Amino acid sequence: AQTVTQSQPEMSVQEAETVTLSCTYDTSESDYYLFWYKQPPSRQMILVIRQEAYKQQNATENRFSVNFQKAAKSFSLKISDSQLGDAAMYFCAYRVYNNNDMRFGAGTRLTVKP
Amino acid sequence: EPEVTQTPSHQVTQMGQEVILRCVPISNHLYFYWYRQILGQKVEFLVSFYNNEISEKSEIFDDQFSVERPDGSNFTLKIRSTKLEDSAMYFCASSESVSGNTIYFGEGSWLTVV
Repeated sequence: AQTVTQSQPEMSVQEAETVTLSCTYDTSESDYYLFWYKQPPSRQMILVIRQEAYKQQNATENRFSVNFQKAAKSFSLKISDSQLGDAAMYFCAYRVYNNNDMRFGAGTRLTVKP
Repeated sequence: EPEVTQTPSHQVTQMGQEVILRCVPISNHLYFYWYRQILGQKVEFLVSFYNNEISEKSEIFDDQFSVERPDGSNFTLKIRSTKLEDSAMYFCASSESVSGNTIYFGEGSWLTVV
């Protein structure tokens, strides 16, 4: 079974500090993609960052970066210089190459303290 | 930036009534999806649609649900006879292809069944 686990239901960070959100997944596939989506109170799903499993280099998008450990099946999201606008629910998601079904984790609610 | 648009943003309906949720995917995208998020739970895949037919569906997508693309631009989700447990946020999404391209989500349609 392909499952995505986010072990931290809630996280908190001080503004301007760095926070890391954890995600692990279970798969027997070798070719897949991983994503982090952000869901603010408006409930829109906004793509934060994506990682192709065949790439060894960790994806980076401005203040957002990932630590992708393929052997450990771990895909954590690091948010640097946290801003108040980063407060949201963050979902880790997994999708097999050429498959329509994207699996989501249960989410981590991030609070940013001023 | 192109985006997926959904209407209505919120709909309240009586149990047993039919509901149609509408979506306009990003114009050059070929794959369309519906996802569901029951309040407080994870986002779940319902169905994917390509070349005017369903390409994949989950166990949630039973005979009460149907999708179609009636006019080449709109992509609709119909729930034939709503149940209380259908209350959820329904996200439409689209992607350029199925080969791992990023799925872009709309802002969601919040359905409340009373």
